[in-house]
This record gives sequence, structure tokens and C-alpha cells, in this order.
Amino acid sequence: ELKVEQNPLFLSMQEGKNYTIYCNYSTTSDRLYWYRQDPGKSLESLFVLLSNGAVKQEGRLMASLDTKARLSTLHITAAVHDLSATYFCAVDIWNTGNQFYFGTGTSLTVIP
Amino acid sequence: GAVVSQHPSWVICKSGTSVKIECRSLDFQATTMFWYRQFPKQSLMLMATSNEGSKATYEQGVEKDKFLINHASLTLSTLTVTSAHPEDSSFYICSARIGTSGSDTQYFGPGTRLTVL
Repeated sequence: ELKVEQNPLFLSMQEGKNYTIYCNYSTTSDRLYWYRQDPGKSLESLFVLLSNGAVKQEGRLMASLDTKARLSTLHITAAVHDLSATYFCAVDIWNTGNQFYFGTGTSLTVIP
Repeated sequence: GAVVSQHPSWVICKSGTSVKIECRSLDFQATTMFWYRQFPKQSLMLMATSNEGSKATYEQGVEKDKFLINHASLTLSTLTVTSAHPEDSSFYICSARIGTSGSDTQYFGPGTRLTVL
């Protein structure tokens, strides 16, 4: 059974601090996505990681992928209140018809 | 960019009635559409995968007779919740994929919040 686990599940941090969210998955895949979800809203695409060693940065967020370790990280630098949201990683399993399997989600609250 | 719409965005219905949710790709043709449901403070769970012109593939534990999916064209998929009950209340999100390449991402609709009284 495929598992996609995120750590931590809930995170409260002060503005200006750094933190990393981890996404572990249990099967072979070289395609991983990060999404943001605000309360009551759908998903906003943040990053698409398509190969081992891929690193992408946008503003205060940076995502990386290690397919050998089956691990992706989402690093937050100098957090601001606007980053408060729930973050999901999703693994794309090609041989199952390109289905996405979502992680458990990390609920982030940035305190001013 | 690729835009996916859903209609309605919010629906309340009585128990025992059926509700249809539409998912449209507005500026592209979607070879595959996916339907997810999300309970409060939980992750998204894939319900089914639908390809235009063929029967949907349902995930284990999803009742195909209760959640009817019709992918009539390359821009429209519908999910009908038949004989809805309060436990069907959830946030339903569709997504659409343009091609079949492994690098093609999914574009998500805004979601439909269903409340069954």
C-alpha cells in the first residue's frame, strides 16, 4: 500500500523563523508536487519536482526532491503571516494512470 | 494558464436526493479528469479517474453506483452523488490533466462543498 506521509502535521511558528516540512513516500516515483490550500479553497500549485536532486525556489519557499531516499522537503525561510495555510505534497505514480496520492498535509500557522 | 471550473461551488440538499457536480476545463482539452473528496482537516482522497469516452476507474472502497461519473467530452466531467446522505457531506475537488506525459501536472478546480441535511 502506497503511503505518503508528511511531518509535522501541525506547525506553529513565529514570523522570521525558518522551518522544514518533510514528505516521505513509500514507492518509487520521480515526480512530486507541492500544493498550498487556504481554508475553504482548492489547491494552489507551488512546485513541480520531476527528477532526483531537483530544487526549486519561489520567494520564501524552497522545495527539493531526493528520489533515492523517497523524500521531499519544503523549506520555509523567514516566515511571514501570509504563509499560513495547509501544505500538501503529492506523489505521481506513472504506472497507475498518473494518479496523485496526497500526503497527510501540514497545517502551518505563522504567528506575528 | 490552464483553468478548471466547478459548478456549483456550494450546494445543500436533503437526504435521499441526487446532486450533480460539473467539472470543466475552460481553455484546454483534458484527456483525463480526476475526482477527489476531502473531509474537514484531512487530506484529499482520490475517488476515481475518468477518461473521455470510457468508464471511470474507481478507487477501492468507492461505490460506483453511488458516485456516478460521466466524462462526456474532453472538457466536461460530471460527478453525480445519488441518494445522498449526511455522511456524503464533503468538499469535492476535480482535477484535469492535459496529456499523457509523465511531466503533465494536474490542474485543480475550485471545489464544490456538499452539505446533505
